[in-house]
Amino acid sequence: NAGVMQNPRHLVRRRGQEARLRCSPMKGHSHVYWYRQLPEEGLKFMVYLQKENIIDESGMPKERFSAEFPKEGPSILRIQQVVRGDSAAYFCASSGLTGGASGANVLTFGAGSRLTVL
Amino acid sequence: QQQVKQSPQSLIVQKGGISIINCAYENTAFDYFPWYQQFPGKGPALLIAIRPDVSEKKEGRFTISFNKSAKQFSLHIMDSQPGDSATYFCAARRGFSGGYNKLIFGAGTRLAVHP
Repeated sequence: NAGVMQNPRHLVRRRGQEARLRCSPMKGHSHVYWYRQLPEEGLKFMVYLQKENIIDESGMPKERFSAEFPKEGPSILRIQQVVRGDSAAYFCASSGLTGGASGANVLTFGAGSRLTVL
Repeated sequence: QQQVKQSPQSLIVQKGGISIINCAYENTAFDYFPWYQQFPGKGPALLIAIRPDVSEKKEGRFTISFNKSAKQFSLHIMDSQPGDSATYFCAARRGFSGGYNKLIFGAGTRLAVHP
């Protein structure tokens, strides 16, 4: 089991460009969560997706940010027209459908994608 | 009400000492409280977790103490080692339903264990 796979691990963009971050959940997991971690800060929830559906996007900025989890392929977090304030580590986590009552299915995180905006 | 407050922000402990990190919450709907450990350049990894119907859980040198009435929980690291130096995050989950497994994280505690 390869775990949660994220790529790229590091991404450098100039202001105004687009950033695309990819996440493949753990095998058997169909629920994906994206978190953002600013330097020296904690993890902030952005969005929760199931296959082909956005369930909770309450933490996602209203503009420039979008996320998808298509039927086939990885989940993608897309940031359009990046600004310096978007520089952060973006973590993807996945979980399964069962085991909730026991907590056995708490989120498993990937290694993150570190975005630097010049 | 969705916040989890964590303290201290940073902690320095001598090798062999006890590291204690505290968290507090407001929302009584939280049903699960994990702690994550994060090393520089890595993703957070689940360390230990507890449910609110249990007052204490121990796994090796790591213990969670949970006080439901005070809405507080803490992580104790016994016999702290330099390899424990990392950032620790407490978290809380607002109920698990149909796969909804959203965690609210504390701000993190940067632990340094000196030899």
